[in-house]
Amino acid sequence: DTGVSQNPRHKITKRGQNVTFRCDPISEHNRLYWYRQTLGQGPEFLTYFQNEAQLEKSRLLSDRFSAERPKGSFSTLEIQRTEQGDSAMYLCASSLPTSGDVETQYFGPGTRLLVL
Amino acid sequence: AQTVTQSQPEMSVQEAETVTLSCTYDTSESDYYLFWYKQPPSRQMILVIRQEAYKQQNATENRFSVNFQKAAKSFSLKISDSQLGDAAMYFCAYSDSGGSNYKLTFGKGTLLTVNP
Repeated sequence: DTGVSQNPRHKITKRGQNVTFRCDPISEHNRLYWYRQTLGQGPEFLTYFQNEAQLEKSRLLSDRFSAERPKGSFSTLEIQRTEQGDSAMYLCASSLPTSGDVETQYFGPGTRLLVL
Repeated sequence: AQTVTQSQPEMSVQEAETVTLSCTYDTSESDYYLFWYKQPPSRQMILVIRQEAYKQQNATENRFSVNFQKAAKSFSLKISDSQLGDAAMYFCAYSDSGGSNYKLTFGKGTLLTVNP
């Protein structure tokens, strides 16, 4: 078990460009979450997958954002036509529901995005 | 919607002493989960401790314990025998326990400084 990994760790882009981030969850974790964290704030929920199905999207996720989880393994988060307000840390977390136990999310190191 | 409030933006403690971080939340649910996560500088979010709302007994993990007051909707974290490695941003988080989306709602965090 190597934990949740995210790539790239840092991304600098110019306004208007598209960017894509990848998250590899802990193996066998069937739930995967994306969060966004801006400076001085706690993470905010963006979207959630159970296996390959995207089951909920936050209103924070504008139509410029799209997320996928093909085959229920890794996930990608794409931002099209980036804006300076998209600058943030994008966190991925995964979990495995266990009967009778608290479902706990394990976080990756995040991808820090800076839009110039 | 559920909300989580951490009223202490910053706290400091002397090494080996005890510190308590405050957290209050608002929910209309009767069963839910509460968490404390630690985020060291430039490092990933780590679970510190978790609590199920229907369990009256306060959770403990080594030097970390919580004071869960369900009626008051309060969930404070006590760190005993503070160590330099405890210095980090601490986030209180809430999730529902029903349905299938266990998305976390975070507070804004408390920055803990440990003085040698």
